[in-house]
Amino acid sequence: DADVTQTPRNRITKTGKRIMLECSQTKGHDRMYWYRQDPGLGLQLIYYSFDVKDINKGEISDGYSVSRQAQAKFSLSLESAIPNQTALYFCATSDTPGGWGTGELFFGEGSRLTVL
Amino acid sequence: QKEVEQDPGPLSVPEGAIVSLNCTYSNSAFQYFMWYRQYSRKGPELLMYTYSSGNKEDGRFTAQVDKSSKYISLFIRDSQPSDSATYLCAMRTGRRALTFGSGTRLQVQP
Repeated sequence: DADVTQTPRNRITKTGKRIMLECSQTKGHDRMYWYRQDPGLGLQLIYYSFDVKDINKGEISDGYSVSRQAQAKFSLSLESAIPNQTALYFCATSDTPGGWGTGELFFGEGSRLTVL
Repeated sequence: QKEVEQDPGPLSVPEGAIVSLNCTYSNSAFQYFMWYRQYSRKGPELLMYTYSSGNKEDGRFTAQVDKSSKYISLFIRDSQPSDSATYLCAMRTGRRALTFGSGTRLQVQP
């Protein structure tokens, strides 16, 4: 089984619908992240969490919210999806005590979201 | 202007060729430099990590950082079809999250 599991892997939805993308990990890492990947733009950080009680906005958090239900679970929600949120979404984890460390992130396989 | 610029490719080379992948950046505070490899329909995985300037070699892969020119490179020697993937550079200061390049798609033809 994958160390970082994302569900669903693919989702098609309509404008205005609420969508939740879920991430669970078995790596035992404290730090979890949600990224968005668009062609030509690379990976952009949406939200990150250093532990269950510490959640921070990334560079593109507008229109998104997150929930850290447990050390191993980090969910991303789109309250009212819009077409320009069509993208590939990645969850990632890291285990770096103090600061950002080497920057090694362990990614899930991605959730492809299409908003019509 | 983006903080990190990377040519999207695609870059197509024959098997056995030497591949050079590059990124330029504008933030002189970047200290940590990485290369991630992303196969189709997969998440990125860390390939190389370098702190500050200099070279680092790992098998067929060499990462170079030139902070004076704000330029980093990844060289792949004796390229193989299994190297076909998208390569993303990433970098950060001591206090911020990673900033990724947009990725270069590499195709190694058998």
